[in-house]
Amino acid sequence: AQKVTQAQTEISVVEKEDVTLDCVYETRDTTYYLFWYKQPPSGELVFLIRRNSFDEQNEISGRYSWNFQKSTSSFNFTITASQVVDSAVYFCALSEAPNYGGATNKLIFGTGTLLAVQP
Amino acid sequence: DTEVTQTPKHLVMGMTNKKSLKCEQHMGHRAMYWYKQKAKKPPELMFVYSYEKLSINESVPSRFSPECPNSSLLNLHLHALQPEDSALYLCASSQEVAGTSKFFGPGTRLTVL
Repeated sequence: AQKVTQAQTEISVVEKEDVTLDCVYETRDTTYYLFWYKQPPSGELVFLIRRNSFDEQNEISGRYSWNFQKSTSSFNFTITASQVVDSAVYFCALSEAPNYGGATNKLIFGTGTLLAVQP
Repeated sequence: DTEVTQTPKHLVMGMTNKKSLKCEQHMGHRAMYWYKQKAKKPPELMFVYSYEKLSINESVPSRFSPECPNSSLLNLHLHALQPEDSALYLCASSQEVAGTSKFFGPGTRLTVL
């Protein structure tokens, strides 16, 4: 069965600190997709990144970086020099591989990590 | 245009009311979704539409009735809801059903009295 675990329920940091959000997943598929979404208090889920299981390259986008390690089934997210606007709930999610006979593209979400960045 | 829009933003309804939630996207996506999110929980999938046909119903009660009038629009008709149905309802779209990224709308915050 597929499962995503975000063990950190809440994290509080002071502005300009670096922070890493952990994500551990379980799947029997050899091909799958991993995602991170940000949900600010306004409620909208903002897509941050999608990574397929064959691409283990780390990704950097501005202050955001992602570390994908298949050996430990982890897809961790680091925010460098955090800002108050980074305060949100962050969800890690897993999606099954394309199955053109009837794929659902169902996202399996973790329980989310609430990040509070204090000024 | 990478936007999914939803109306209304907030909705308060009684248990005997009939109301509808609307979702629209103009990204040419062929898959659209309804999710329900309770406070402090992750979103839960309700329905999946692929090429305007309902492909997944996650055992949602019949008081929720989805409709996809065309490839850009997705509605969720509500009737005889219960207070426990109060939640944030999120619409999403993706290019295809399989293996593509979902983009979410801002949601409709529903309160059932």
